[in-house]
Amino acid sequence: RKEVEQDPGPFNVPEGATVAFNCTYSNSASQSFFWYRQDCRKEPKLLMSVYSSGNEDGRFTAQLNRASQYISLLIRDSKLSDSATYLCVPNAGDSSYKLIFGSGTRLLVRP
Amino acid sequence: GAGVSQSPSNKVTEKGKDVELRCDPISGHTALYWYRQRLGQGLEFLIYFQGNSAPDKSGLPSDRFSAERTGESVSTLTIQRTQQEDSAVYLCASTVGPAYEQYFGPGTRLTVT
Repeated sequence: RKEVEQDPGPFNVPEGATVAFNCTYSNSASQSFFWYRQDCRKEPKLLMSVYSSGNEDGRFTAQLNRASQYISLLIRDSKLSDSATYLCVPNAGDSSYKLIFGSGTRLLVRP
Repeated sequence: GAGVSQSPSNKVTEKGKDVELRCDPISGHTALYWYRQRLGQGLEFLIYFQGNSAPDKSGLPSDRFSAERTGESVSTLTIQRTQQEDSAVYLCASTVGPAYEQYFGPGTRLTVT
């Protein structure tokens, strides 16, 4: 089983749509969780951290379900500029400093 | 301020040659990571440096790979006797601490012919 599993997509949605991405992770000892965004042929950049109670940052909402080892990202009112690959990133349970990057879910927002 | 920089941005080398990749972290960042990203795949952890502690080399794929960092400054990743499967983007990231955001450099795209 992969350490982090994500639907590779692509998710092709119109501007203004709401889209949700899911991710499952295998290490129950993971303590920290992040969503990173990676544009084509660019480096990853942090989108948001994911907190146990769930958190929101503008149009973006992240949820964590520890029991199911499941993380989600919801994007409301999609913009063309949201087109990118979204990486689900838990840390390795045995060391807080090591992050496990998923292969990502690709999002295409069309006009 | 300046972000993480990496050089060269692109490197084409012949199979069997050695290459050296460089990373300049953000000033003041004590932790530095190297990752490898093959086309269409996720980031693969290679090595982690934290201050003057012994590095975590657990991700290095073979003894052809090595990395150095002096204090909290520049790091170099060296690949000896390159193979075609070494072709990938090599990304460096730095952070103020392990639980904090990792800032990535633009990467070095390595092609082994």
